[in-house]
Amino acid sequence: DSGVTQTPKHLITATGQRVTLRCSPRSGDLSVYWYQQSLDQGLQFLIQYYNGEERAKGNILERFSAQQFPDLHSELNLSSLELGDSALYFCASSVEPASSYNEQFFGPGTRLTVL
Amino acid sequence: AQTVTQSQPEMSVQEAETVTLSCTYDTSENNYYLFWYKQPPSRQMILVIRQEAYKQQNATENRFSVNFQKAAKSFSLKISDSQLGDTAMYFCAFDDSPGGGADGLTFGKGTHLIIQP
Repeated sequence: DSGVTQTPKHLITATGQRVTLRCSPRSGDLSVYWYQQSLDQGLQFLIQYYNGEERAKGNILERFSAQQFPDLHSELNLSSLELGDSALYFCASSVEPASSYNEQFFGPGTRLTVL
Repeated sequence: AQTVTQSQPEMSVQEAETVTLSCTYDTSENNYYLFWYKQPPSRQMILVIRQEAYKQQNATENRFSVNFQKAAKSFSLKISDSQLGDTAMYFCAFDDSPGGGADGLTFGKGTHLIIQP
């Protein structure tokens, strides 16, 4: 158990819908990352937040957005869903001091199925 | 853009054998970090080993070790005395965040390792 929690574990929805995935980082971790794992694209970095602020952006679609709240949990919002959005979405967290590298600890993932 | 290439989609070895998974990467940075992650059937991502590019010594964690060749941009993972529980997808990953702060990881496509009894 990495200490990172993600809800829900599974989500089944229809095309055109909007969903929200939730992530709680490890206690003390200020940085949250979102990744998408799909058969077509493999594992891709989507976006990173650090202490409530967006820090880095990867291959995140405009239909997707994220935020990190004052209690440091994060939500990933996916809208106008398409079949190709079906994937495993991971959240990871790290401590993030500037002086040394911090390991990213991954949550168990949310399996999204778009029908 | 950074890229990570794993040229072996699948490998199969007998229990107790040694196996080496290959990984090459491309970057213009001089300081960066390399990782091997394991993803068993449970889908959990587990860090196996990591290597800082500025360290010449190859990292080792119990049965897992790496062969880091910076000039060749190669980062292979060796698993000694392989066990049935080593069966999993293995991903090579790379992070060249400026200043060493963690940033988004770039992953390879993965190698599916099967340990046969």
